[in-house]
Amino acid sequence: EAQVTQNPRYLITVTGKKLTVTCSQNMNHEYMSWYRQDPGLGLRQIYYSMNVEVTDKGDVPEGYKVSRKEKRNFPLILESPSPNQTSLYFCASRRQGEIIQYFGAGTRLSVL
Amino acid sequence: SQKIEQNSEALNIQEGKTATLTCNYTNYSPAYLQWYRQDPGRGPVFLLLIRENEKEKRKERLKVTFDTTLKQSLFHITASQPADSATYLCAPRSGNTPLVFGKGTRLSVIA
Repeated sequence: EAQVTQNPRYLITVTGKKLTVTCSQNMNHEYMSWYRQDPGLGLRQIYYSMNVEVTDKGDVPEGYKVSRKEKRNFPLILESPSPNQTSLYFCASRRQGEIIQYFGAGTRLSVL
Repeated sequence: SQKIEQNSEALNIQEGKTATLTCNYTNYSPAYLQWYRQDPGRGPVFLLLIRENEKEKRKERLKVTFDTTLKQSLFHITASQPADSATYLCAPRSGNTPLVFGKGTRLSVIA
C-alpha cells in the first residue's frame, strides 16, 4: 500500500532534549516536505526537499533541521525543542512534476 | 504577500443540503487550485484539482469552480451527509512553488 509513515505518532518531551521525527514514503517520490499545524494558523511549511541531498527552508524553519540522505526518508530534527514547538506535524510527499501531495498521519508533539 | 482566505472557520449545515465553501486568494495568480479534506488528528487527503483554464470540475457529489477574475474558488458538496463532516483546505498554486494551504473551513453536517 502506498503511504507516508511518520513515527512516533505522539511524543511528549522536555525543553532542550533533542528529538527526531521520522518520515518514510514507499512511492519513490522525489519531493518531500514537513508542515506544522496550529489552531488558527493552519498548515505552515517548515522545510522541503526536491530530491536526495537537496533541502530548502519553508515558511517557518527556525528551530528545525532536516536531512535527505535517502530518497525514501526525510527526518525532522529538533536540536533543542522549546514549548513553542508544541504542535501537530505532518510529513508529505509527491512525485516531481505531479501535483497531488500525500500526507502522513501526523505526529502530535508536546514540549514541556 | 500571498494570502489565502477561506470564508469561515466553521460551517454548520443540515443533512441533505448543499454545502458551499469559499476560497479567496490575493497577490498571486495560481495555475491551479487543489482542495483537500482533513479529519481530526489525520493528515489532509486530496479531493479535487482545478486548473486556471477550467471553470468547473465535478467528482461524484463534489463540485469545484475557479474564477480567476474574482480570484476565488467555490467548493460544493451536494446532498451532504454527516460523513462529510471534516475540515476542508484549499491550496492555490502557481508554477513549481511550495504548496501553501488556507486555514480551512470546518464543516459539520447535522442529521
